[in-house]
Amino acid sequence: AQTVTQSQPEMSVQEAETVTLSCTYDTSESDYYLFWYKQPPSRQMILVIRQEAYKQQNATENRFSVNFQKAAKSFSLKISDSQLGDAAMYFCAYRSPLTGNQFYFGTGTSLTVIP
Amino acid sequence: DVKVTQSSRYLVKRTGEKVFLECVQDMDHENMFWYRQDPGLGLRLIYFSYDVKMKEKGDIPEGYSVSREKKERFSLILESASTNQTSMYLCASSLPRGPLAFGQGTRLTVV
Repeated sequence: AQTVTQSQPEMSVQEAETVTLSCTYDTSESDYYLFWYKQPPSRQMILVIRQEAYKQQNATENRFSVNFQKAAKSFSLKISDSQLGDAAMYFCAYRSPLTGNQFYFGTGTSLTVIP
Repeated sequence: DVKVTQSSRYLVKRTGEKVFLECVQDMDHENMFWYRQDPGLGLRLIYFSYDVKMKEKGDIPEGYSVSREKKERFSLILESASTNQTSMYLCASSLPRGPLAFGQGTRLTVV
């Protein structure tokens, strides 16, 4: 099974600064999908950003962007101009279209935003 | 927007009870999933379903079963609740190559 590793259990960032959350994954597949999800204290998991492996261009959604390095199997999330509302758990996820379309999640990074 | 609705946000049940967690999605998604979330362990897949009446075991199916009689509804059943099943349960749905859309979660406490 594919594994997804988030090596930073906790991170903190000053409001308005930039922070990068890391994610690596292990796979032998060439076609797959990657996602970052945010889970605020309200518990609702929200999709932040997605990346298709066949696309070389890094995905961007407003203040959120990714650094996707396929060869290194790395998928980091950069949050620019951090806001208090960005405080949450962030989960990296891998979706395999080959192994039953399952999702594989990392264990999460808890992000604190300091006013 | 896709809406995934779980029947309860909080639930308290007694050991040995049969527990039903209901999940409904309104976007005609083929795939539905049940996850369990525990601190430090991330999300663990219990069961998933590709289509009506189809089900597949995930990583931790023991003590659980599921039912998908209609496309929009995916139920998780705890046959005989135990204290080690106290957890957060998340339902999600998706199209075959799309992202997951999650419900709001059910925090189940078994006493």
